[in-house]
Amino acid sequence: GEDVEQSLFLSVREGDSSVINCTYTDSSSTYLYWYKQEPGAGLQLLTYIFSNMDMKQDQRLTVLLNKKDKHLSLRIADTQTGDSAIYFCAEAGTALIFGKGTTLSVSS
Amino acid sequence: DGGITQSPKYLFRKEGQNVTLSCEQNLNHDAMYWYRQDPGQGLRLIYYSQIVNDFQKGDIAEGYSVSREKKESFPLTVTSAQKNPTAFYLCASSPRDRGPRNYGYTFGSGTRLTVV
Repeated sequence: GEDVEQSLFLSVREGDSSVINCTYTDSSSTYLYWYKQEPGAGLQLLTYIFSNMDMKQDQRLTVLLNKKDKHLSLRIADTQTGDSAIYFCAEAGTALIFGKGTTLSVSS
Repeated sequence: DGGITQSPKYLFRKEGQNVTLSCEQNLNHDAMYWYRQDPGQGLRLIYYSQIVNDFQKGDIAEGYSVSREKKESFPLTVTSAQKNPTAFYLCASSPRDRGPRNYGYTFGSGTRLTVV
């Protein structure tokens, strides 16, 4: 397909791991990004991965990249209520192309 | 502190009126972007500019106009020709060279436009 695809909703319990999945479109994309959006705010860059990497870990965040399947995932370990937000994956083109966003709901 | 500022945060417009959303950055970024966000639709690109006095249409440019007279400023005008302008508008900027030290965009905090 032509769009960056994400599942729309994910609900987890506090302390569990969250995994947000994304399928992107352009196998030649150099950078792939994860952004976080809290209610009524702009987007905040969480992490990024270069296309020549398979995995990147940054504190509680782990990004996995499967170039063959054009699949990107974001794992949040020990999910907290403050992690509740919308998460967007994006691929680099002339401008960034965003998925529709995954709303993560964390219950205590 | 460097950043990107959008104003106003909330804007109300009567049908048939043009309205201009402001976006200013002091990050010395060459490129600036306007996105529209609707619930469940993600972010859709309206216009972008990679250099002063030049800009390009994005995926949903119809009913919108922009200017880039200064590096720091990229105002967006929502014209009366835009059929459904009620949305959350986000401005972003980036260095033109998105190499290893420059990655991703810096976003403003958004303007929520409502047509009344």
